[in-house]
Amino acid sequence: GAVVSQHPSWVICKSGTSVKIECRSLDFQATTMFWYRQFPKQSLMLMATSNEGSKATYEQGVEKDKFLINHASLTLSTLTVTSAHPEDSSFYICSARGTSGSLNIQYFGAGTRLSVL
Amino acid sequence: DQQVKQNSPSLSVQEGRISILNCDYTNSMFDYFLWYKKYPAEGPTFLISISSIKDKNEDGRFTVFLNKSAKHLSLHIVPSQPGDSAVYFCAASAPWLGNEKLTFGTGTRLTIIP
Repeated sequence: GAVVSQHPSWVICKSGTSVKIECRSLDFQATTMFWYRQFPKQSLMLMATSNEGSKATYEQGVEKDKFLINHASLTLSTLTVTSAHPEDSSFYICSARGTSGSLNIQYFGAGTRLSVL
Repeated sequence: DQQVKQNSPSLSVQEGRISILNCDYTNSMFDYFLWYKKYPAEGPTFLISISSIKDKNEDGRFTVFLNKSAKHLSLHIVPSQPGDSAVYFCAASAPWLGNEKLTFGTGTRLTIIP
């Protein structure tokens, strides 16, 4: 199956600093990537859809200036949490749209646990 | 507004028996459904999917059933194995509308008892 690599897997930062998370599709090209957030014991909530070469589409309630998304190539999307605060602490997961036969499948990275002190 | 619901937060099944995980949805625009398996602190792993033109899709030990009229789908795992212990999420999308974003259910934690 398709492999999506997400880095770092865990990051601790001080309040007010910015954190960048990378999402790479390793063996396929992904024109579309997605960024999710998961709170403990809850489902994955879509934050934004990232399209290569264009601006990301953010879901309602997600601050685009807070969560900067860049999809500069067909294999890399980055999420930058700017001026992070403790309430931004969460598990962030990316996915990349790939294909399995004729079907479009989202393949997920391993996730990044962000802890803001 | 939870458009995809998994009403059982947890399920325990004896090894070798059948595990049945259920999922209900409310949005009739959804026409493509997927099941993912997730271990703690890891991303979800794709298991199996089904399009609304089908009512059943099978892949090895995993079978997904779709009942469009009831807006209900289920995942059957048989025989269940200890390695199947994980959280299972169903997800739905409406790609025919040009919208490939997934709406996830709240998950069901499956525990296989040896």
